[in-house]
Amino acid sequence: GESVGLHLPTLSVQEGDNSIINCAYSNSASDYFIWYKQESGKGPQFIIDIRSNMDKRQGQRVTVLLNKTVKHLSLQIAATQPGDSAVYFCAENTAFSGGYNKLIFGAGTRLAVHP
Amino acid sequence: ETGVTQSPTHLIKTRGQQVTLRCSSQSGHNTVSWYQQALGQGPQFIFQYYREEENGRGNFPPRFSGLQFPNYSSELNVNALELDDSALYLCASSSKGEQYFGPGTRLTVT
Repeated sequence: GESVGLHLPTLSVQEGDNSIINCAYSNSASDYFIWYKQESGKGPQFIIDIRSNMDKRQGQRVTVLLNKTVKHLSLQIAATQPGDSAVYFCAENTAFSGGYNKLIFGAGTRLAVHP
Repeated sequence: ETGVTQSPTHLIKTRGQQVTLRCSSQSGHNTVSWYQQALGQGPQFIFQYYREEENGRGNFPPRFSGLQFPNYSSELNVNALELDDSALYLCASSSKGEQYFGPGTRLTVT
């Protein structure tokens, strides 16, 4: 499949190391934030989300940290595996009058895991 | 797998032509959103449909239009195709928040 993220920043890690992917968001009114993983030729896959009233949330091997003061979001992946290689996007969910909501995606980071 | 399907997988069109892309939402989801993802970039919101009505739109011209059907499936129509319309088109279905993405349709305009 065609590759996404050809011109995106790349984070290279060794298998088994921990990975930290960072993201800055723009809208302080966003009510929740999501991390997506996108493999080549596929749509974005939900990893983990966090509400704006939280600063940390843990999942299986992943942790998301939210710092609203500086509008910063990070995704930590423990014991990174080759299957984690993909492009990672943060997205902020913003609700609008009229009842709709939209996701605003960050620029993305490509994670490359080396054996 | 999210249960969201899109068709076709790939297609090639000529500048000036019209195209229709299709999306079947996950069972029980009444909201469908469409996104355009250019190569090397994050998805950009086009519009959202809820119960057959467009209820929100991003910064895309009127030649991008859509429909949602009673079964909540949806179509994205693009008229007068331009070279810059070449992208991966994603639909996402949701019910009360979390959006589940389909695999996308890769459109190439020549």
